[in-house]
Amino acid sequence: AQKVTQAQTEISVVEKEDVTLDCVYETRDTTYYLFWYKQPPSGELVFLIRRNSFDEQNEISGRYSWNFQKSTSSFNFTITASQVVDSAVYFCALSENSGGGADGLTFGKGTHLIIQP
Amino acid sequence: EAQVTQNPRYLITVTGKKLTVTCSQNMNHEYMSWYRQDPGLGLRQIYYSMNVEVTDKGDVPEGYKVSRKEKRNFPLILESPSPNQTSLYFCASSLGLGGAYEQYFGPGTRLTVT
Repeated sequence: AQKVTQAQTEISVVEKEDVTLDCVYETRDTTYYLFWYKQPPSGELVFLIRRNSFDEQNEISGRYSWNFQKSTSSFNFTITASQVVDSAVYFCALSENSGGGADGLTFGKGTHLIIQP
Repeated sequence: EAQVTQNPRYLITVTGKKLTVTCSQNMNHEYMSWYRQDPGLGLRQIYYSMNVEVTDKGDVPEGYKVSRKEKRNFPLILESPSPNQTSLYFCASSLGLGGAYEQYFGPGTRLTVT
């Protein structure tokens, strides 16, 4: 069974600080996909990134970066020079590709990130 | 514009009064699903559908029904809502099954059952 753990329930930092959100996953599949979503206070889910299990390259998109390490089953998300608009709940999610069952997304419980001005 | 729509966006109802939350997508997607989001629990899948007339249970199906009579629509039915179904509900669709396909989420429906 697949599982996603986001151990940090809430993180509070001051604006301009760097912050890393941790995500650890469990799966028996060799082919799987990892995702990050942002949920701002307005409630919608905003897709940030998808990474497949065969691509371990780190990715950078502006102030956002992701560190995928299969050896530790982690897919951590770093925001550099945080801004108040980054305040949101962030979800890490996993989808196996075994071809059976729901193959839906298994979400972590989310990390509430608070950026203080 | 490609989108997933849900109605209503907000709903307050009473225990036992049947309700339906509609979900529609305009992307000709095969796969649709429903999730509920609860504080401290993240999102959990309720039901999913791989095509018209094909539906199956997710992780938390108790108390819910779904139907898929048309490809674009996937309504969520609560026959007899109870307070423990107070939650934020998301409908999602994707072109195919599995993580290779991006899931598009609707804006969410906030349901309160008193």
